[in-house]
Amino acid sequence: DIQLTQSPSFLSASVGDRVTITCRASQGISSYLAWYQQKPGKAPKLLIYAVSILQSGVPSRFSGSGSGTEFTLTISSLQPEDFATYYCQQLNNYPPTFGQGTKLEIK
Amino acid sequence: QVQLQQSGPGLVKPSQTLSLTCAISGDSVSSNSAAWNWIRQSPSRGLEWLGRTYYRSKWYNDYAVSVKSRITINPDTSKNQFSLQLNSVTPEDTAVYYCARNPPSGIAVKSFDYWGQGTLVTVSS
Repeated sequence: DIQLTQSPSFLSASVGDRVTITCRASQGISSYLAWYQQKPGKAPKLLIYAVSILQSGVPSRFSGSGSGTEFTLTISSLQPEDFATYYCQQLNNYPPTFGQGTKLEIK
Repeated sequence: QVQLQQSGPGLVKPSQTLSLTCAISGDSVSSNSAAWNWIRQSPSRGLEWLGRTYYRSKWYNDYAVSVKSRITINPDTSKNQFSLQLNSVTPEDTAVYYCARNPPSGIAVKSFDYWGQGTLVTVSS
């Protein structure tokens, strides 16, 4: 199975900050990488698919980039509602796998 | 708007069978392009994909190796829903279980765009 490693695991930031989360794959996954946001007690919400395509309704302050084995999620200016846990996910090869998560907390 | 509504017991005894159902609205379990998945989440294992069912002129299933000997995912076309059965459960199967859709078209098929609300299933006597 393809392993996805996110860094950092925890991130403390302030409203208005720009933050970047990295996801590294154990082997190349082409462009089949997605990002999710999860708030406590809720299901994950799809933010970005195919590395950089925003899901409908997702604010433009979210962006994704990368290729091969290294990918990033950037939030350009943190809003209060962005404090949550973020996961990357690949589906280049079955089974689909997820990163361990990055918890974004308010500083 | 697609909605997935989960139902099923939150407590299962060890060695028994975990059974959950995911009712679909706004799409069809018999869609020739979407796929219907079960995913679970626990502190020890994180988000773990368990399996999927999908229809492409006939029904197919894929299962995770870790549960392949114990899992069955079945579509129910009469009720537009699909189900998860996991046999011989142990406390390690305690998790929040989610159903989720692979969207029907384009490169987005490689993601999960709609999720159920989640069901916490505890395996305990």
